Amino acid sequence: AQSVTQLGSHVSVSEGALVLLRCNYSSSVPPYLFWYVQYPNQGLQLLLKYTTGATLVKGINGFEAEFKKSETSFHLTKPSAHMSDAAEYFCALIQGAQKLVFGQGTRLTINP
Amino acid sequence: DAMVIQNPRYQVTQFGKPVTLSCSQTLNHNVMYWYQQKSSQAPKLLFHYYDKDFNNEADTPDNFQSRRPNTSFCFLDIRSPGLGDAAMYLCATSRGTGPTEAFFGQGTRLTVV
Repeated sequence: AQSVTQLGSHVSVSEGALVLLRCNYSSSVPPYLFWYVQYPNQGLQLLLKYTTGATLVKGINGFEAEFKKSETSFHLTKPSAHMSDAAEYFCALIQGAQKLVFGQGTRLTINP
Repeated sequence: DAMVIQNPRYQVTQFGKPVTLSCSQTLNHNVMYWYQQKSSQAPKLLFHYYDKDFNNEADTPDNFQSRRPNTSFCFLDIRSPGLGDAAMYLCATSRGTGPTEAFFGQGTRLTVV
């Protein structure tokens, strides 16, 4: 079965510092991978996705992620954190017939 | 413009009293999903529709039912809510073909008293 593991349920960085949120996947077939962001009491918003082609994917709000097949990873990064980036972040992949499988989530806190 | 709309945003219901949550979409997507999300947890898929075909997850309690009368609307019915059913309920849609992302509504936060 396909699965997603997010390393670190909480990540705290200073404003202006690099953001790195880790995601590893397990899949027997080439995966389609996603990062979603969730603000308090809101739904999930797509940040970026990887399907095929370029392994470095750019998303909204200055985020990007790199698909590394050899490491089965899809880590999310942002060069400079902003206070507005504080949220819950979910890595996900598609399993079977259009079913999204989520990681456990990582809560990002930004320190002033 | 909102594309997946959930109503209401907040719902309070009494223990054991049936409650219905609604979701509508303007995307004309084939697939509609219902997720349950408890505090500090990932969303958990309850069921989804591919067009009119209903797909229930194996571990979804019988207390949870769903209806999709047409492409645009989907309902989540909780027949006898328990305290453990208090959660955020998320509706999502996707095209259903190819590796497309899901689009989420704002969610309905359900409180059971």
